[in-house]
Amino acid sequence: DQQVKQNSPSLSVQEGRISILNCDYTNSMFDYFLWYKKYPAEGPTFLISISSIKDKNEDGRFTVFLNKSAKHLSLHIVPSQPGDSAVYFCAATTISNFGNEKLTFGTGTRLTIIP
Amino acid sequence: EPEVTQTPSHQVTQMGQEVILRCVPISNHLYFYWYRQILGQKVEFLVSFYNNEISEKSEIFDDQFSVERPDGSNFTLKIRSTKLEDSAMYFCASNLDRRSPLHFGNGTRLTVT
Repeated sequence: DQQVKQNSPSLSVQEGRISILNCDYTNSMFDYFLWYKKYPAEGPTFLISISSIKDKNEDGRFTVFLNKSAKHLSLHIVPSQPGDSAVYFCAATTISNFGNEKLTFGTGTRLTIIP
Repeated sequence: EPEVTQTPSHQVTQMGQEVILRCVPISNHLYFYWYRQILGQKVEFLVSFYNNEISEKSEIFDDQFSVERPDGSNFTLKIRSTKLEDSAMYFCASNLDRRSPLHFGNGTRLTVT
């Protein structure tokens, strides 16, 4: 039951260009979405989040866009840097009821930044 | 920056054996979690723990699994009788309150042979 889907297992982007990672969800109860970044041999690291009351949240080079009607969110990284090469996980939860406890993760997208 | 630490980094055990995975959450955090990732699959929620009791668990977290906070710093996951399909990376996480992002440890890779 894939409630959170990341359909691109991998993405390669030239350094300095924009990286766009996509995520779709099916559960309309989700109201809080997060992106995590994971390097090999490390745990996921929180990157940025967005509540369903917003459609955009920005933090430095990272921006997350949420389209509730399409049940789609995306993470934009501008400009992309070699250190951004990692696996990116989209995650979702129903924060209004349960808080942040039970995150449902996507399968991840491996981003490679080409110098 | 404070971090969640997990030991060991890699544990190999034989099928049917008991295994205990250890975690030290960030010291002022109140909520603790275990997630796991089977190779090539997504990260899955196992259990959350607050105020010395389980607050939520997934269908994966059956009677073979248990969690404990034996003292003020450690948080453990025990698998009583391991199966081959328990082989996975197990991540411990913690947060200060239920609405703040989770901080994950680097994981313990469990291999059941």
